[in-house]
Amino acid sequence: DAGITQSPRHKVTETGTPVTLRCHQTENHRYMYWYRQDPGHGLRLIHYSYGVKDTDKGEVSDGYSVSRSKTEDFLLTLESATSSQTSVYFCAISQGTGTNGYTFGSGTRLTVV
Amino acid sequence: QQQVKQSPQSLIVQKGGISIINCAYENTAFDYFPWYQQFPGKGPALLIAIRPDVSEKKEGRFTISFNKSAKQFSLHIMDSQPGDSATYFCAAKVGGNKLVFGAGTILRVKS
Repeated sequence: DAGITQSPRHKVTETGTPVTLRCHQTENHRYMYWYRQDPGHGLRLIHYSYGVKDTDKGEVSDGYSVSRSKTEDFLLTLESATSSQTSVYFCAISQGTGTNGYTFGSGTRLTVV
Repeated sequence: QQQVKQSPQSLIVQKGGISIINCAYENTAFDYFPWYQQFPGKGPALLIAIRPDVSEKKEGRFTISFNKSAKQFSLHIMDSQPGDSATYFCAAKVGGNKLVFGAGTILRVKS
């Protein structure tokens, strides 16, 4: 998707290992989000950021941490991956004003074995 | 109170028919209601959105109907086409510019 890139696109990792997913934007948007998508649950917010070094928890934040040291980058870390964290992870960006909504990245499919 | 309940889970419609997806919410603080369309292997993309002071919004074949008193809103896809086959999510915005999503509806349009 234009202006927002997620990496890697696919990853397989072992239980107990740390994993970091990266979201990079070129839109200079203030807000960045990490969601996970699971069948029957839609998209659930993990963490979000409303500025550099300003982050907050979402509804499913346990086992995840985030960092935002630059406007353009938002990192999601699974501190010790578990099988329940097997999911598709989406990053999104938003200007935070008006009715622009979110722009989503293409997602990272993470499998924890 | 933060939930958005979406139905049906899946929907099959004949080409040319009307697809209807419904959502309901409890939190009266929600102030923006977008719909997203997602194709396999892609991220969700904004389709159409409405604010609660408007009862209907139409963009091409897509219409949102909003019933504030019932706390319900729905997406209508007129003249449904096979290219509309996708997963659709309703959402609602809360404070902090956060979106809460419904569970999604898988739409299949049969040609």
